[in-house]
Amino acid sequence: DSGVTQTPKHLITATGQRVTLRCSPRSGDLSVYWYQQSLDQGLQFLIQYYNGEERAKGNILERFSAQQFPDLHSELNLSSLELGDSALYFCASSELPDSYEQYFGPGTRLTVT
Amino acid sequence: GNSVTQMEGPVTLSEEAFLTINCTYTATGYPSLFWYVQYPGEGLQLLLKATKADDKGSNKGFEATYRKETTSFHLEKGSVQVSDSAVYFCALRTRTGNQFYFGTGTSLTVIP
Repeated sequence: DSGVTQTPKHLITATGQRVTLRCSPRSGDLSVYWYQQSLDQGLQFLIQYYNGEERAKGNILERFSAQQFPDLHSELNLSSLELGDSALYFCASSELPDSYEQYFGPGTRLTVT
Repeated sequence: GNSVTQMEGPVTLSEEAFLTINCTYTATGYPSLFWYVQYPGEGLQLLLKATKADDKGSNKGFEATYRKETTSFHLEKGSVQVSDSAVYFCALRTRTGNQFYFGTGTSLTVIP
């Protein structure tokens, strides 16, 4: 158990809908990362937050947005969902923004039908 | 641009066999390099890292050496166990912009 929690574990929704994925980092970690893992694209870095501020941005679509709240939990919002958004979404956390070690949560499996 | 290429799987080995999983990278500047492992149903875990050329990362019998001249970071283990069955990901982190890039993963199955 990495100490990173993600909810929900599974999510099934229809195309065009909007969903919110939630992540709570390990106690003491200030930085949160979001990743998308799909069969055809592999593991893609989406975005990183540190202490509430956006720190780095990867291959995040405009339909997706994220934020980190004062209590350090983070949410990833996915809107206008498409079939291709079906994937495992991982959250990871680290103590500092440049820490080498990230601790990954168990993931949220999103299925868009 | 930045990218990581690792050998296609799946890889199936007998217990106590020697393991090599190849990883090469393309990056601007001098990235940090990582190997992550993902056991079934779990998130990724950092296995080892190397932050500069010629560094050797090691953990749990696994090793990888940062080779700048060949832009490689191959993962090796001298004697695999059934418990090593997992998916292994090679990754890099850029020094500027703090961007992460992962390979597509290599599935390893070790049979008794």
